[in-house]
Amino acid sequence: DSGVTQTPKHLITATGQRVTLRCSPRSGDLSVYWYQQSLDQGLQFLIQYYNGEERAKGNILERFSAQQFPDLHSELNLSSLELGDSALYFCASSPYNGGGELFFGEGSRLTVL
Amino acid sequence: ELKVEQNPLFLSMQEGKNYTIYCNYSTTSDRLYWYRQDPGKSLESLFVLLSNGAVKQEGRLMASLDTKARLSTLHITAAVHDLSATYFCAVEDGQAGTALIFGKGTTLSVSS
Repeated sequence: DSGVTQTPKHLITATGQRVTLRCSPRSGDLSVYWYQQSLDQGLQFLIQYYNGEERAKGNILERFSAQQFPDLHSELNLSSLELGDSALYFCASSPYNGGGELFFGEGSRLTVL
Repeated sequence: ELKVEQNPLFLSMQEGKNYTIYCNYSTTSDRLYWYRQDPGKSLESLFVLLSNGAVKQEGRLMASLDTKARLSTLHITAAVHDLSATYFCAVEDGQAGTALIFGKGTTLSVSS
């Protein structure tokens, strides 16, 4: 158990809908990272927050957004969902504002029908 | 754009055999990470390599880093079934801040 908590574990929804994935980092960690894992794209970095501020952006679609709240939990919002958004979404945390080992949650598996 | 390439992508081994997984990357990073993922599960950190020449060992796995060659290896000694998993290497991308950029992973299957 890494100490990173993600909810929900599984989510099934329809195209065009919007969903929110939630992540609580390990106690004391200030950075949260979101990754998307799919069979064809592998593990893709989406976005990083540190202590409430966006720090780095990867291959995140405009339909996706994220935020980190004062209690350090983070939410990833996915809207206008398409079939291709079906994937496993991981949250990871670290104590640092840059670099270092990441600790991953169990993931949220999103299925878009 | 930072590229991280692993090979092979799929590896079928017999128990007791040795093999090496290679990870090449395109940036001048001196920090490299290895993770293990079981099917449908989370990523578990295996090794953190923080400098040129770093070598870490845990059980039947040994990882090394050559920053000049931009190459890391994960060596498996006398494989056992419990090592069956997907192994990822990851490198810090300075241009994208501090995110780890992952290779596509090497899926290892060990059979008797």
